[in-house]
Amino acid sequence: EAAVTQSPRSKVAVTGGKVTLSCHQTNNHDYMYWYRQDTGHGLRLIHYSYVADSTEKGDIPDGYKASRPSQENFSLILELASLSQTAVYFCASSDPSSSYEQYFGPGTRLTVL
Amino acid sequence: QQQVRQSPQSLTVWEGETAILNCSYEDSTFNYFPWYQQFPGEGPALLISISSVSDKKEDGRFTIFFNKREKKLSLHITDSQPGDSATYFCAASDYGGSGNKLIFGTGTLLSVKP
Repeated sequence: EAAVTQSPRSKVAVTGGKVTLSCHQTNNHDYMYWYRQDTGHGLRLIHYSYVADSTEKGDIPDGYKASRPSQENFSLILELASLSQTAVYFCASSDPSSSYEQYFGPGTRLTVL
Repeated sequence: QQQVRQSPQSLTVWEGETAILNCSYEDSTFNYFPWYQQFPGEGPALLISISSVSDKKEDGRFTIFFNKREKKLSLHITDSQPGDSATYFCAASDYGGSGNKLIFGTGTLLSVKP
């Protein structure tokens, strides 16, 4: 069954530490996205990718990097985690022919202390 | 700045009633408007969507009404069930235009009481 999976599902990190969130999709989709969700802000786009080995900045990219080593995998990297990056992070994928229909993973709850 | 606004922030209805969730946008280039449903602890999932060439889209108990001139749309959930209790996000996209991104509203938390 086609799916988007994320790991880890939850993580506690220390301020200033490096955090890597991973996403894997079996939808055979070209497009992948990283969002963060905060109460009162809905979902905000951090980075996205149209093709392997290429990433694009979303609406709130500061403090985040992304890596797309293959069609199936998309990572979000926090080089120096900060308290303000405490949030739930969602990965999604979509087909180019219907990019408004995105398939989301279950999310990663990140707490930065 | 592109914005999508939703109201109310939270809504409580009784089982069997019709829930009405509202959404508005500013950018006239938006042409696709999906609604996503999110249950606690899960990722959002596409519920129903409409393109700007239509003024109504129906799927079972879920109906989108779209007013292009006023840049407003609404999601009607008829015969609401406790299982419909979730957060509903309105989103907008200029599909085929400058990008393939979605702009999400802040969501409406719906509670259906039995």
